[in-house]
Amino acid sequence: DGGITQSPKYLFRKEGQNVTLSCEQNLNHDAMYWYRQDPGQGLRLIYYSQIVNDFQKGDIAEGYSVSREKKESFPLTVTSAQKNPTAFYLCASSHLGANGNQPQHFGDGTRLSIL
Amino acid sequence: AQSVTQLDSHVSVSEGTPVLLRCNYSSSYSPSLFWYVQHPNKGLQLLLKYTSAATLVKGINGFEAEFKKSETSFHLTKPSAHMSDAAEYFCVVSVVSRSDYKLSFGAGTTVTVRA
Repeated sequence: DGGITQSPKYLFRKEGQNVTLSCEQNLNHDAMYWYRQDPGQGLRLIYYSQIVNDFQKGDIAEGYSVSREKKESFPLTVTSAQKNPTAFYLCASSHLGANGNQPQHFGDGTRLSIL
Repeated sequence: AQSVTQLDSHVSVSEGTPVLLRCNYSSSYSPSLFWYVQHPNKGLQLLLKYTSAATLVKGINGFEAEFKKSETSFHLTKPSAHMSDAAEYFCVVSVVSRSDYKLSFGAGTTVTVRA
């Protein structure tokens, strides 16, 4: 069954610690995205990648880092520089299409909390 | 810049009655528009998309939306609400910039369904 797998489902971070969230897709999509969701707000884009070994900052990239070494994988690291990391993190992927007409497919998210 | 505004943060309906979720967009060109649904602690699921074909778009689970360029609206409707429709709904516009595109999310509308 094709889809996007995010792990872990729940994650706890200690002060000063970096943590990495995993995102894997088997949909053969070129583009992948990371979003942050806070209560009562829409999704905000952290980073995105349209091709292997290339990625772009989104609207709230500070305190986060990513890599895209394989087409199927797009891990997100929440660094100690991110002072308010508690949120629900969603990974998505899509084909590339003209004028952005390709919908994004989402994983089930990782909920990150501070210890 | 492209953006969406969801006019209601919360909608409450009785089971079996119609549902209307309102969305206005702003865009300097013909946009791609989407409606997504999110159940608690889950990722987003695509309900339907508009990409400049028919203005009345039918989606999954009995939902449909009408694109009205003159009103810059893309309202989501369902004739008869079911208990399983209780969720958060997001109106989304595709934002095209130079060689890539991103999604801009509305703040969301929470739907509750009364028995």
